[in-house]
Amino acid sequence: DAGITQSPRYKITETGRQVTLMCHQTWSHSYMFWYRQDLGHGLRLIYYSAAADITDKGEVPDGYVVSRSKTENFPLTLESATRSQTSVYFCASSEFGFQETQYFGPGTRLLVL
Amino acid sequence: AQTVTQSQPEMSVQEAETVTLSCTYDTSESNYYLFWYKQPPSRQMILVIRQEAYKQQNATENRFSVNFQKAAKSFSLKISDSQLGDTAMYFCAATGGTSYGKLTFGQGTILTVHP
Repeated sequence: DAGITQSPRYKITETGRQVTLMCHQTWSHSYMFWYRQDLGHGLRLIYYSAAADITDKGEVPDGYVVSRSKTENFPLTLESATRSQTSVYFCASSEFGFQETQYFGPGTRLLVL
Repeated sequence: AQTVTQSQPEMSVQEAETVTLSCTYDTSESNYYLFWYKQPPSRQMILVIRQEAYKQQNATENRFSVNFQKAAKSFSLKISDSQLGDTAMYFCAATGGTSYGKLTFGQGTILTVHP
């Protein structure tokens, strides 16, 4: 399907486990982003990527790792999950840069026990 | 660095009425863009409207319009003829030229439209 997809949509894991959230877009957009949404904080940027093999930290990067070997994929890995990482995670993409609208995936709800 | 503030945690309106959601922002960018996103109960983030800061004309999309006051750094969203489907969380967001597309979001306003 065209657009931006995330998998899994729901995930329950335990403290200390490694978890990878997947993001895939079919538009060949250059920019991709990972946000987390928590009550009282809106959405906060975790990491972003301007192109394949180019990534940079956002506002709340600690405990997360990203990679972007292909333009269309932007996985987010929690190396050792903590309860504070329980959240809803959104992936987004935009064609060029700041002036462009970001299109969001449906989100992944992660629960860390 | 940018900050975005939405001072109304919750708002309600009767169907067919008009409601205005407030947003203020602060940025050091000379060229920036402002957005309103809607998040219905499905949690999908949907773009409502986009404003380019260098344009003085307020953006409009059907029943949605903004009141962009650049000097006051205010960016409010007006929803006319409110519909039940407008019930959602609304986020104001900003991005600027040196932020490489990184959106800074406000805390959100929950809007409930009553029949």
